[in-house]
Amino acid sequence: EAGVTQSPTHLIKTRGQQVTLRCSPISGHTSVYWYQQALGLGLQFLLWYDEGEERNRGNFPPRFSGRQFPNYSSELNVNALELEDSALYLCASSLGTGEGIGELFFGEGSRLTVL
Amino acid sequence: GNSVTQMEGPVTLSEEAFLTINCTYTATGYPSLFWYVQYPGEGLQLLLKATKADDKGSNKGFEATYRKETTSFHLEKGSVQVSDSAVYFCAFEGGFKTIFGAGTRLFVKA
Repeated sequence: EAGVTQSPTHLIKTRGQQVTLRCSPISGHTSVYWYQQALGLGLQFLLWYDEGEERNRGNFPPRFSGRQFPNYSSELNVNALELEDSALYLCASSLGTGEGIGELFFGEGSRLTVL
Repeated sequence: GNSVTQMEGPVTLSEEAFLTINCTYTATGYPSLFWYVQYPGEGLQLLLKATKADDKGSNKGFEATYRKETTSFHLEKGSVQVSDSAVYFCAFEGGFKTIFGAGTRLFVKA
């Protein structure tokens, strides 16, 4: 069974540009989560999508946005890139249960460098 | 607000040493608690979890007990191996998201 896949694995952008990151969850998982892992700062929650809807959003500016498609894959878009957006962006999926999120299954991430 | 505090790293141990990585949390109610591990060059993966007070999660020789009195979930292993070298993240579910600590890097020397 394929795990969570993310693309691209690495990319370099310049300030002011826009970027789109992609994520395919594990088959059967309807929830997708996005996290930012900046150097030394741990994982910061960005967005949660479930069944095509945005369910929760972290403390990030509106230039961070995304969507989930009918096949449950997801995109994260970042507009007007700033230097501090340089980070590893992690996508995770879960089955979700009636009692909570449960175990998260992570991809290997997309490393974004903003110059 | 909801948060996780875990001991700062890096932690450097010799093989077969005892490991403790401290984790405390601030949350409403009694959330599910997790330890995730990130091996070099890999994504995060669940190491163990506990869903209610006094539960003990265990996996690969690692253990952690859900202590609601002290809001803690410390990770322990009796004898670490070089292959345990990784970054360990404490986490809990709260506010419709999973909240992670900053991570503790462990180096195990042969």
